[in-house]
Parts: sequence; structure tokens; C-alpha cells
Amino acid sequence: GNSVTQMEGPVTLSEEAFLTINCTYTATGYPSLFWYVQYPGEGLQLLLKATKADDKGSNKGFEATYRKETTSFHLEKGSVQVSDSAVYFCALSDKDTGRRALTFGSGTRLQVQP
Amino acid sequence: SQTIHQWPATLVQPVGSPLSLECTVEGTSNPNLYWYRQAAGRGLQLLFYSVGIGQISSEVPQNLSASRPQDRQFILSSKKLLLSDSGFYLCAYRGSPNEQFFGPGTRLTVL
Repeated sequence: GNSVTQMEGPVTLSEEAFLTINCTYTATGYPSLFWYVQYPGEGLQLLLKATKADDKGSNKGFEATYRKETTSFHLEKGSVQVSDSAVYFCALSDKDTGRRALTFGSGTRLQVQP
Repeated sequence: SQTIHQWPATLVQPVGSPLSLECTVEGTSNPNLYWYRQAAGRGLQLLFYSVGIGQISSEVPQNLSASRPQDRQFILSSKKLLLSDSGFYLCAYRGSPNEQFFGPGTRLTVL
């Protein structure tokens, strides 16, 4: 079955540091890949997505590239801010026509210190 | 534009009591709808999904049930809550063609 593996947190960085959160996946075929962000006490917000190999998703300074050869979708940001502190989830969408559910990683908590 | 609502936002219930969580979607027709649960410090687990009125698929055996009485309404229920039912419950709908959009969630504490 499908699975998503994320690096364990928490990740603690100073403001303006470079961020990488690793994500690898196992799936049949070529799923769509997503990063969601969850701020304290809130639901999940879509941060970025990629639907095919070599696609780069980007939003709010965050980027991730769909790497088929390494089955990875690592999240990066060049300079983090305190407001980026949140839990980040990597996810994939299966291609089953009816279900189209998301399989999530366990989440990585990011703490950015001023 | 589409919006998704969940209520209540928080709920504290004793063990053995019933449960009803509601999710409604606006601005879209015949969406796929999903219930996920997030246990403390963990990822999200898919509980149920629905492709239409009265059509419910259960992903894991559990103490919960779901219903879809109207096109844009999705309800999560239990007849008798267990301690292990505590968690953060998220409803979602499927957008274009693979994205999912989540509601604000309901935090359930079973005591």
C-alpha cells in the first residue's frame, strides 16, 4: 500500500535559517504529492503541490520538487520566519478514481526562534 | 468559492456517551467528502469517505460511523464513546482533481 515517511521533529531553527524537511514515499504508479501546514489549534492548509515527476511546487517561499528517481518530495525554504512555526505534513493522493484519499506522513513540527 | 464548516469546535464527553459531529460544504456540488482523525502528536488517519448521498466507505474498523444525508453534509457519529476516540477530527472535500481542502476541525476529549 501507499506510505509516506517524514523526518521526525521537532526541528528547531533560528530566524532566517535554511529549512529542509525530508519526505519520501512509496506508491504504485505516479501519485500527486502535497505539503500541508497546520498552525496551532487549526485545520490543515494546502501549502504546495506537484502532480508529476520533476514538477516544482512553490508557495510563500517554500519549494518542493517531485523526484521520481528517489521517490522524494523534500520541503525547503531559504529563510524561515517565526511565523513559519507549525506542523508540516507530506501527503500523496492515490489514483483510485473513486477514493482519491490522501495518505499522510506523521508530520514534522518546526519551531523557529527569534 | 468553496468553504467547509465543522461544528462543534471543541467537545468534552464522558465515556459511553453518544457523539455527533457535523461537516457542511458550500459552493460545490457532489463533492467527495472525507473524515480524518489526528491523534495527539501523530499524523492523520482516514476514517471514512463518501462519493455521494448515502454512500459511505469505512477505512478502519472502529467505534464510529458516518452518514451523508444530503449532498453537502457529512456526519460522524458514535453510540458509545471510548477513551481512545479522543482526538482532532477533520472533515475534507476533494477539489480539482487531487487536492483536498480541510475544515477547521473538532477537538474531542473523552473523559
